[in-house]
Amino acid sequence: SQKIEQNSEALNIQEGKTATLTCNYTNYSPAYLQWYRQDPGRGPVFLLLIRENEKEKRKERLKVTFDTTLKQSLFHITASQPADSATYLCALKAAGNKLTFGGGTRVLVKP
Amino acid sequence: GAGVSQSPSNKVTEKGKDVELRCDPISGHTALYWYRQSLGQGLEFLIYFQGNSAPDKSGLPSDRFSAERTGGSVSTLTIQRTQQEDSAVYLCASSTRTGAGTEAFFGQGTRLTVV
Repeated sequence: SQKIEQNSEALNIQEGKTATLTCNYTNYSPAYLQWYRQDPGRGPVFLLLIRENEKEKRKERLKVTFDTTLKQSLFHITASQPADSATYLCALKAAGNKLTFGGGTRVLVKP
Repeated sequence: GAGVSQSPSNKVTEKGKDVELRCDPISGHTALYWYRQSLGQGLEFLIYFQGNSAPDKSGLPSDRFSAERTGGSVSTLTIQRTQQEDSAVYLCASSTRTGAGTEAFFGQGTRLTVV
């Protein structure tokens, strides 16, 4: 069966350090992968998209990698700040174009 | 509108009653999704509309759930004979098209509580 797995344990990190989140998938052949941020009580907000022919994508302090051999994407927040505390979700297009999400990883950046 | 709008923002209903949740997508967006999110959980796909194509209903958990999209714009998710396990936040999202990997824009969600 198709699965998108993210670490369900919260990631606690000190301000200024780099947070690294993992998204693993099975039985998908995605043309691209997306990352979203979700704050409590709000809908997810799009952050980055990376295509299958891209190894790495950057946006400000965010970096995403995509390894289609390992079937894995890594999401990095460099120089983390308390304002980065949120839940981060990865998403893939499944068969029929429906956008399917992983369970998300909660990040808590401590000052 | 400026963003995806969902109403109501909160709904408390008695077990066994029917509820309707509304989603107004961003104007011009052809794709519309409904998701369900239980407390502390990820997004569970429910249904997906793309233009005039038949909707993908593969995520609807039971025949008590249905959704329609009128005129390619506003969508309504209906839950009949609500059960306590239906309590969750229901999120709607829209996007311009599906093939090019465009982002999905989400509404704030409707928090449904079945008592």
